[in-house]
Amino acid sequence: DTAVSQTPKYLVTQMGNDKSIKCEQNLGHDTMYWYKQDSKKFLKIMFSYNNKELIINETVPNRFSPKSPDKAHLNLHINSLELGDSAVYFCASSPPLGSGGAGDTQYFGPGTRLTVL
Amino acid sequence: KQEVTQIPAALSVPEGENLVLNCSFTDSAIYNLQWFRQDPGKGLTSLLLIQSSQREQTSGRLNASLDKSSGRSTLYIAASQPGDSATYLCAVLTGANSKLTFGKGITLSVRP
Repeated sequence: DTAVSQTPKYLVTQMGNDKSIKCEQNLGHDTMYWYKQDSKKFLKIMFSYNNKELIINETVPNRFSPKSPDKAHLNLHINSLELGDSAVYFCASSPPLGSGGAGDTQYFGPGTRLTVL
Repeated sequence: KQEVTQIPAALSVPEGENLVLNCSFTDSAIYNLQWFRQDPGKGLTSLLLIQSSQREQTSGRLNASLDKSSGRSTLYIAASQPGDSATYLCAVLTGANSKLTFGKGITLSVRP
């Protein structure tokens, strides 16, 4: 029973293509996130959604568009892929702040390794 | 703007050694601080979470401390084992929008 799942695990594509990464969580959380981990392993937030509403948008190029059809899903669509988009993308979810103790954390998916050729 | 720093970037120790990983952050207005573990090609696993009102948390051989006023945290690993080899990430959560800011991580290698 995977808590946060992402598909695909690996994605290899050509520059200029459009691709999507899907994320689903079965934890009943209201908030979901997308992070990018670059080649130097630096993990940085891109977006967060709370109940399908955009909360955080960290100056990500508008080629990246998150889509939340319901609060259990947050998909990431990327248009006109560039070489610099190559990275590992992580989805995460979290309960409301104040859930208490170790509950105030984010649960991460396994990541999607995107390679743009 | 919150910045999280972890130094050194990599550490290699012999098995059995006790070690300390350091983390510092620039803005003390945090909700909590967490230590994560990341194995190569894998996702993140939360190890310890310290609320802003707490000073430390312990889990098995791991102990994390937090000094919010000075913007520092340490992760202490006792009697290190080869299985502890991984990247350890420190992250602070600001409550305004549940934003988690990560350090660049410390890659630990424990030699048998």
